[in-house]
Amino acid sequence: DAKTTQPPSMDCAEGRAANLPCNHSTISGNEYVYWYRQIHSQGPQYIIHGLKNNETNEMASLIITEDRKSSTLILPHATLRDTAVYYCIVRVGLGYSTLTFGKGTMLLVSP
Amino acid sequence: DVKVTQSSRYLVKRTGEKVFLECVQDMDHENMFWYRQDPGLGLRLIYFSYDVKMKEKGDIPEGYSVSREKKERFSLILESASTNQTSMYLCASSFRTTGYQETQYFGPGTRLLVL
Repeated sequence: DAKTTQPPSMDCAEGRAANLPCNHSTISGNEYVYWYRQIHSQGPQYIIHGLKNNETNEMASLIITEDRKSSTLILPHATLRDTAVYYCIVRVGLGYSTLTFGKGTMLLVSP
Repeated sequence: DVKVTQSSRYLVKRTGEKVFLECVQDMDHENMFWYRQDPGLGLRLIYFSYDVKMKEKGDIPEGYSVSREKKERFSLILESASTNQTSMYLCASSFRTTGYQETQYFGPGTRLLVL
């Protein structure tokens, strides 16, 4: 799986958009970009994934650059409950395969 | 909504005890996984199963065994608990895909303390 680089921490005001960046310059053609988050002492929560087109679901939007070397996860209206560690993972999910988390970004949403 | 449940959120056991951790998913997923998560070490795969009665070792299977008798249930067994098995245990499940997408969904985790 390709290596990813994320800032160690970010702050966001409640109600504002949180934009979390991820660099994955060595991504290969069949690798997907996945985002998970983990609230303290809970299991990781799947957020969204994409290959090359931008994706949106009820939780977030994923913007992938045209060269696929970086992406941004957008939480459009951050709430206090979005405070968590966010993990960007680039992987090929072949049938069944292990998941590896890097250090992630600690997002702190403040009132 | 995908639901993965784990039998306990917190567990305290004594060294040498046999420990059972249970995981149940309600999405008819073929694949199920057991990970442990430790500070500074990230997520490490213990065992996974891609079908009933099938199991494969992950990166750190020593001291653990698993059982998958039904599709929805995957059990992790610590045969003789030791203090170095104190950790957060995470169960996950996913569909077996033929393409390159395989999305794993996690349970809430079991925080195990071995004294």
